[in-house]
Amino acid sequence: QKEVEQDPGPLSVPEGAIVSLNCTYSNSAFQYFMWYRQYSRKGPELLMYTYSSGNKEDGRFTAQVDKSSKYISLFIRDSQPSDSATYLCAMSRGGSTLGRLYFGRGTQLTVWP
Amino acid sequence: NAGVTQTPKFQVLKTGQSMTLQCAQDMNHNSMYWYRQDPGMGLRLIYYSASEGTTDKGEVPNGYNVSRLNKREFSLRLESAAPSQTSVYFCASSERNQPQHFGDGTRLSIL
Repeated sequence: QKEVEQDPGPLSVPEGAIVSLNCTYSNSAFQYFMWYRQYSRKGPELLMYTYSSGNKEDGRFTAQVDKSSKYISLFIRDSQPSDSATYLCAMSRGGSTLGRLYFGRGTQLTVWP
Repeated sequence: NAGVTQTPKFQVLKTGQSMTLQCAQDMNHNSMYWYRQDPGMGLRLIYYSASEGTTDKGEVPNGYNVSRLNKREFSLRLESAAPSQTSVYFCASSERNQPQHFGDGTRLSIL
């Protein structure tokens, strides 16, 4: 079993929709949680970064972490065609294990006008 | 602001050939990483360097070697390329417990 599971989609929504992206994980030692956005033929770009449980909001994006359920989510409000990309969740134990990240497989999102 | 720069962007090799992928970062980060990304597999860690002078194996190190040349540069070498190493290779850098910053990748095809 992979340590981080993510539904690859694809997910296709109309412009203006609320998008929900999710990952589950098995290792309770994960403390740092990230969402990366990856456009075609580009490298992953950091979108959201949270430590431990709770919510974090940045503009149209909200990241949620529920450590008790080992479940993280990314919500995109008022989605735009420019949000069309692959979204990767990632997490890390931190501490002495430094910055090694464990990634989900990515969810491909298309927002159509 | 360049961030993480990878060269070359594309490369085609024949089986058995060798090559070195180059990575440089200008953010003064201590840690650097090499990943490969394959369809349906996500990003998998090949090697990482926690600081200048140290390197460690990741999830899929077989067939690869790395060199941390200095604080800025971290190279990945394929000594004898195999078709199974056809992939997109990403380099990343970070500070301890901070998110990693990625380059735009090297697309490598091995025939």
